[in-house]
Amino acid sequence: EPEVTQTPSHQVTQMGQEVILRCVPISNHLYFYWYRQILGQKVEFLVSFYNNEISEKSEIFDDQFSVERPDGSNFTLKIRSTKLEDSAMYFCATKRDLSSGEAFFGQGTRLTVV
Amino acid sequence: AQRVTQPEKLLSVFKGAPVELKCNYSYSGSPELFWYVQYSRQRLQLLLRHISRESIKGFTADLNKGETSFHLKKPFAQEEDSAMYYCALSRSSNTGKLIFGQGTTLQVKP
Repeated sequence: EPEVTQTPSHQVTQMGQEVILRCVPISNHLYFYWYRQILGQKVEFLVSFYNNEISEKSEIFDDQFSVERPDGSNFTLKIRSTKLEDSAMYFCATKRDLSSGEAFFGQGTRLTVV
Repeated sequence: AQRVTQPEKLLSVFKGAPVELKCNYSYSGSPELFWYVQYSRQRLQLLLRHISRESIKGFTADLNKGETSFHLKKPFAQEEDSAMYYCALSRSSNTGKLIFGQGTTLQVKP
């Protein structure tokens, strides 16, 4: 069964450094999302992406964050200058279309900012 | 504002006992409601959605618009049901983003 794949599984970075989290969506899926979960808190929506542009973003998704799908396969989340509070589990999710309803999640990337 | 509330952080039952994981939502329109499950060291996966009205692994959930609830039920819990359960809401005809509840850990004891 096709899966959403995220790399790396764990990333440790120093405060102020840039990180790029990568996601390979399921091949025929058109809608892409990033979510994050700070330890002990709920899963929070960050951004949705469709047709090569952001379709919606949350208040969390400020100027430090960006997303792109540069080569038509990888869907990336970049954090320009990481802060301690960016430490969280980041999940990529994809949907084939909006009517199907089901979002398929990657296994997550644990980001630790020190 | 849309919100999903799961009042129980942890629900612990014995094998064979009935289970009900509570979920309440606030949304003014017609939402789509889902239950996602995360087993130990596995990814989040869809368990149920209210549109399909099906039973998966013995679990059912009915959307009650009057009470704005979407509780997850199973008559006889099994040890393999132990997992983290998330209720989630999506606005229809939108970007498809999900709004999650805080999650409930279900622990089924032998």
